[in-house]
Amino acid sequence: AQKITQTQPGMFVQEKEAVTLDCTYDTSDPSYGLFWYKQPSSGEMIFLIYQGSYDQQNATEGRYSLNFQKARKSANLVISASQLGDSAMYFCAMRETSGGSYIPTFGRGTSLIVHP
Amino acid sequence: GAGVSQSPRYKVAKRGQDVALRCDPISGHVSLFWYQQALGQGPEFLTYFQNEAQLDKSGLPSDRFFAERPEGSVSTLKIQRTQQEDSAVYLCASSLVGPGLYNEQFFGPGTRLTVL
Repeated sequence: AQKITQTQPGMFVQEKEAVTLDCTYDTSDPSYGLFWYKQPSSGEMIFLIYQGSYDQQNATEGRYSLNFQKARKSANLVISASQLGDSAMYFCAMRETSGGSYIPTFGRGTSLIVHP
Repeated sequence: GAGVSQSPRYKVAKRGQDVALRCDPISGHVSLFWYQQALGQGPEFLTYFQNEAQLDKSGLPSDRFFAERPEGSVSTLKIQRTQQEDSAVYLCASSLVGPGLYNEQFFGPGTRLTVL
């Protein structure tokens, strides 16, 4: 079974609107961390936001917020007030504690295009 | 402060050739990760170093892949007798501390390897 599932291969949004990118995960660990990364065409992965499994509140970082629904095992990224520079690939990732290595597992990504 | 750098940025190899990919992590960063990102996929873990020790190499796809970090800073990923299925972007990431749920990884721009 896929540990991280991103069901939207591509999303389009108009500039200044909000967009939600979906991510569901699968783990039996009680302690885990969820991440979102942005990968522009230049190639490097840029960290956006982190949510710990025991965090009581949804994480927020500027225009990014993470809609964490633990019971549903979902960790959707919400980008408010989209900008043209937000056009990129977005990856959801998870780190688990089992084994102690904390190696992240990434989803297949969602391509976001922001149009004027 | 320089970020993570990788060289070369692009590499074209003939099938059967050996290649060496270099990663310069952020100075002082303890942990170093290598990932393979096939076209249209998320990054997949290859191997992990803490200082000069290779603590996890479970993601290396075959014994043709070898990684080293002899002095605990620069790392080299070597692929022997390259095959077409090795074509991918190879990403390097470093983090300041050792394993943990939330240890931010800083990624390099990647090396795009094309095997003809």
